[in-house]
Amino acid sequence: AQSVTQPDIHITVSEGASLELRCNYSYGATPYLFWYVQSPGQGLQLLLKYFSGDTLVQGIKGFEAEFKRSQSSFNLRKPSVHWSDAAEYFCAVGALGLTGGGNKLTFGTGTQLKVEL
Amino acid sequence: DAGITQSPRHKVTETGTPVTLRCHQTENHRYMYWYRQDPGHGLRLIHYSYGVKDTDKGEVSDGYSVSRSKTEDFLLTLESATSSQTSVYFCAISEGYLAGGYTFGSGTRLTVV
Repeated sequence: AQSVTQPDIHITVSEGASLELRCNYSYGATPYLFWYVQSPGQGLQLLLKYFSGDTLVQGIKGFEAEFKRSQSSFNLRKPSVHWSDAAEYFCAVGALGLTGGGNKLTFGTGTQLKVEL
Repeated sequence: DAGITQSPRHKVTETGTPVTLRCHQTENHRYMYWYRQDPGHGLRLIHYSYGVKDTDKGEVSDGYSVSRSKTEDFLLTLESATSSQTSVYFCAISEGYLAGGYTFGSGTRLTVV
């Protein structure tokens, strides 16, 4: 079964500083990887996803993530953080296997990002 | 998110009472899911549906039941609410293919007192 670890529960960065959120996954085959963002009181919004090709993927809001198979990692990065980026971020790994053949996403426990002005 | 709505957005109920949460989609997606979100646990799958009248259990299904009589609606019922079911509940939809992500609703905050 697949699993996701987000080792940082909370991260604080200053506005304008760079950001890297860590994600490690466990999955026996080629993983399908996702990053979601959740603003307070809102649902989760897809930031980016990886399933093949270039290991550096670009997403919305200036975010990017790099897939490193040798490290089983899919870390999220942003060169310059804005105060509006304060939110909770979830990494997820996808696989087929639900009854009915659907895709199942397994989520990490999230990283809460605080941005200091 | 556009195409998926949850109701109610907030609810306070008493222990032992039945509660039904509704998820409605306009995207005609085959798959629908109910998750609960709790601090330190991330999102955990309660139940999901892969078609009308086709449902199955997730990892935290005890105390919950679901129904899907129409493609667009997926109901989550707490038969007899307990304080441990105080949580934020999210509905999600998916077309089901591997590279597709989920689209989430805005959530229902349920408090059981």
